Amino acid sequence: QLQLQESGPGLVKPSETLSLTCAVSGGSISNNNYDWGWIRQPPGKGLEWIGVIYYSGHTYYTPSLKSRVTISVDTSKNQFSLKVASVTAADTAIYYCARGDNSGLYGKSYFDSWGQGSPVIVSS
Amino acid sequence: AIQLTQSPSSLSASVGDRVTIACRASQGISSALAWYQEKPGKAPNVLIYDASSLKSGVPSRFSGSGSGTEFTLTISSLQPEDVATYYCQQFNSYPLTFGQGTRLEIK
Repeated sequence: QLQLQESGPGLVKPSETLSLTCAVSGGSISNNNYDWGWIRQPPGKGLEWIGVIYYSGHTYYTPSLKSRVTISVDTSKNQFSLKVASVTAADTAIYYCARGDNSGLYGKSYFDSWGQGSPVIVSS
Repeated sequence: AIQLTQSPSSLSASVGDRVTIACRASQGISSALAWYQEKPGKAPNVLIYDASSLKSGVPSRFSGSGSGTEFTLTISSLQPEDVATYYCQQFNSYPLTFGQGTRLEIK
């Protein structure tokens, strides 16, 4: 059974960098049929896709965050990571890591397995 | 970016009712649409992918239909455990996008 587990600080100061890691167990991160994504949910709001990484290291990001976001993968540790630079209160959210299934016709993913979510508050 | 608009934003229905949630895309996305159920304090869970394919383990009272720009999630007979917020998501093109959500309550 695939499991994803986010880890990282729950409190980040404004202007600093938010860093989260997602450890994957029960399956290999090096699988062509899947990619690995980050999604966030501000308090009381809906889901926002942040970006995705393939095991090859290729990434795609949402345009509104692209200048501040970096997603990386460590296949030796079977984990992937998210960094968001220069955070503000607007980055306060629950951050989810998820596995994307891209095995279908479209080559892009819906998310079939999620971590439990990591709440991050941006505050001084 | 492709925008997804869900309707209604919230609804209240009785146990046993047939419930329908709509999702409209700002441009054609073929059948590259998924539906998720999110319960309070839990991560979202995929119900439907490719617009109409039921994910393994999901009760058969859930179904999806549509293609192009108009999609529907249907619950054939509402159960108390279906209280949740439902989201659609397109995976036709980057950036991937979600609808704003539909909150479903029991009357």
